[in-house]
Amino acid sequence: DTEVTQTPKHLVMGMTNKKSLKCEQHMGHRAMYWYKQKAKKPPELMFVYSYEKLSINESVPSRFSPECPNSSLLNLHLHALQPEDSALYLCASSPGLAGGTRDEQFFGPGTRLTVL
Amino acid sequence: AQSVTQLDSQVPVFEEAPVELRCNYSSSVSVYLFWYVQYPNQGLQLLLKYLSGSTLVKGINGFEAEFNKSQTSFHLRKPSVHISDTAEYFCAVSVYGGSNYKLTFGKGTLLTVNP
Repeated sequence: DTEVTQTPKHLVMGMTNKKSLKCEQHMGHRAMYWYKQKAKKPPELMFVYSYEKLSINESVPSRFSPECPNSSLLNLHLHALQPEDSALYLCASSPGLAGGTRDEQFFGPGTRLTVL
Repeated sequence: AQSVTQLDSQVPVFEEAPVELRCNYSSSVSVYLFWYVQYPNQGLQLLLKYLSGSTLVKGINGFEAEFNKSQTSFHLRKPSVHISDTAEYFCAVSVYGGSNYKLTFGKGTLLTVNP
């Protein structure tokens, strides 16, 4: 299995809702990432987990809360989001070590989030 | 700090024509360079990477890139494009910054292949 899966594919939520995005990989990778991508822009790094520990938080607002329950699974919990948080949220994984790596990152298809 | 500049935001070409997508990087330390492709409504897929060794790197789908340290460039080329190559292309650099590596993307180049 050489892919990263993300669910749901699309999510529409109100500003008072609580929702979660899920990411899964079964490649034995030890680093996992969350990126945010606005339309016609490059991905922006949000969080990096290495060996199930948070190693990078790129000053992301606390309304985004990451969680890594095990080495294969990465969640992003969402609460009290703003309309400007609407974007494509991409998950990625790589074989390497803490805080990013020179190795290739494998990306999932993303969750398209719309905040009303 | 490291950065990546993609000189063209859009590149329109005709089918079967050659194409070059330009990428320049700035870094004072060793760099590792990547080209990713993003098709509409999809995630990113790695085309090729330069970590060390031969400066000419071959990737998937007939793409190749040349690492030029003196010009700090990593341009992507394909001798003959297809309609299916229409996509957004991102150049990225991974640089060790003291305690870890971070992947930084360029702004992207939209390649549009016309019949």
